[in-house]
Amino acid sequence: DAGVTQSPTHLIKTRGQQVTLRCSPKSGHDTVSWYQQALGQGPQFIFQYYEEEERQRGNFPDRFSGHQFPNYSSELNVNALLLGDSALYLCASSFLTGNEKLFFGSGTQLSVL
Amino acid sequence: RKEVEQDPGPFNVPEGATVAFNCTYSNSASQSFFWYRQDCRKEPKLLMSVYSSGNEDGRFTAQLNRASQYISLLIRDSKLSDSATYLCVVNTNENNNDMRFGAGTRLTVKP
Repeated sequence: DAGVTQSPTHLIKTRGQQVTLRCSPKSGHDTVSWYQQALGQGPQFIFQYYEEEERQRGNFPDRFSGHQFPNYSSELNVNALLLGDSALYLCASSFLTGNEKLFFGSGTQLSVL
Repeated sequence: RKEVEQDPGPFNVPEGATVAFNCTYSNSASQSFFWYRQDCRKEPKLLMSVYSSGNEDGRFTAQLNRASQYISLLIRDSKLSDSATYLCVVNTNENNNDMRFGAGTRLTVKP
């Protein structure tokens, strides 16, 4: 049973570029949440997807957008990259409701130069 | 005020020591609580859930005080392998599993 998988593992971009990160949830899970973790900080909630729709969103600008596909996999897109977007981007899957723990992927380390 | 606040740390303790981490949360409607462990540049992994009655898992004990909006984690008989960052996590809405993380407290256990 595959856990949460993310790709790529590492990425280097320059300011102003656009990036797409990908996530496949744990088998059976229907909800994907994305987090940004800067060095020395805890994960910050970006947004959550369920049934191909954005259910809720954290305090991130519109440059951050996402998508969920019918197979529950998800993408995170960031436009007009800034140096401050450099971080570890974590995808977590779960069921939508109930006290269900999050299963995390190993993340994508994004460096913006 | 941050949604979830933790002891800033870092904590540097000798093997065998007892160490306690504290966490406070701002949303009084929060319904469930967790401690996650994160090793350096790895993904967070669930350590334990936190129940109102308090719960214990081996050397780890978690406590919840809803009135004070306060959560704690106690580690007894620290091992070198306990060195990690401990993240306090609060589910603010079980209808959509809205998990919010603290900044984490770094623990280093030394020989």
